[in-house]
Amino acid sequence: GAVVSQHPSRVICKSGTSVKIECRSLDFQATTMFWYRQFPKQSLMLMATSNEGSKATYEQGVEKDKFLINHASLTLSTLTVTSAHPEDSSFYICSAPDRGPRGNTIYFGEGSWLTVV
Amino acid sequence: QQQVKQSPQSLIVQKGGISIINCAYENTAFDYFPWYQQFPGKGPALLIAIRPDVSEKKEGRFTISFNKSAKQFSLHIMDSQPGDSATYFCAASMGSWGKLQFGAGTQVVVTP
Repeated sequence: GAVVSQHPSRVICKSGTSVKIECRSLDFQATTMFWYRQFPKQSLMLMATSNEGSKATYEQGVEKDKFLINHASLTLSTLTVTSAHPEDSSFYICSAPDRGPRGNTIYFGEGSWLTVV
Repeated sequence: QQQVKQSPQSLIVQKGGISIINCAYENTAFDYFPWYQQFPGKGPALLIAIRPDVSEKKEGRFTISFNKSAKQFSLHIMDSQPGDSATYFCAASMGSWGKLQFGAGTQVVVTP
């Protein structure tokens, strides 16, 4: 079964509003999680590194005030798209590395489709 | 600048055939090389991964070949099945564990 869960899987929001996407590691603790963005038929682009208990680290070109990341606990990171615009419509995916007994493995969530209308 | 270059962009193979996808990297600090399979509308799923101290790793029908000196690695899918039709991504990670750089992806279509 899934070890990294994202919610919601699909969300539609109006332009100008904010929307929150959650990423949870289900049976392991993740001090670090990663947020990616993927446009149709394209690769995954790393947006930011979410760090538990500290500020997120953003990749070059990613607006930190627009994509707010909070890593409130060892199993939960949230991505909030603020003042969303149609161009923010995309597939957002999180990942979390598991350094536990299963071995060092990076698991991805199922992704969240965001449509801004 | 893409740190991991993947080819081909797309691939059509007959059922039972071998699918081969290649990736190349420049950064010698990369020390973890996973392959992911992604179906439309789903998140990537880990297929198989390798570290630079191993030249080949096999899991079921999937094999990674790794050439450290050439800075290349490839995925071979043996006995390809229609259910293998998906997009495959190679990736690489270094130091900061879990921060992956992805290749552009290869869309594989396995015909019956």
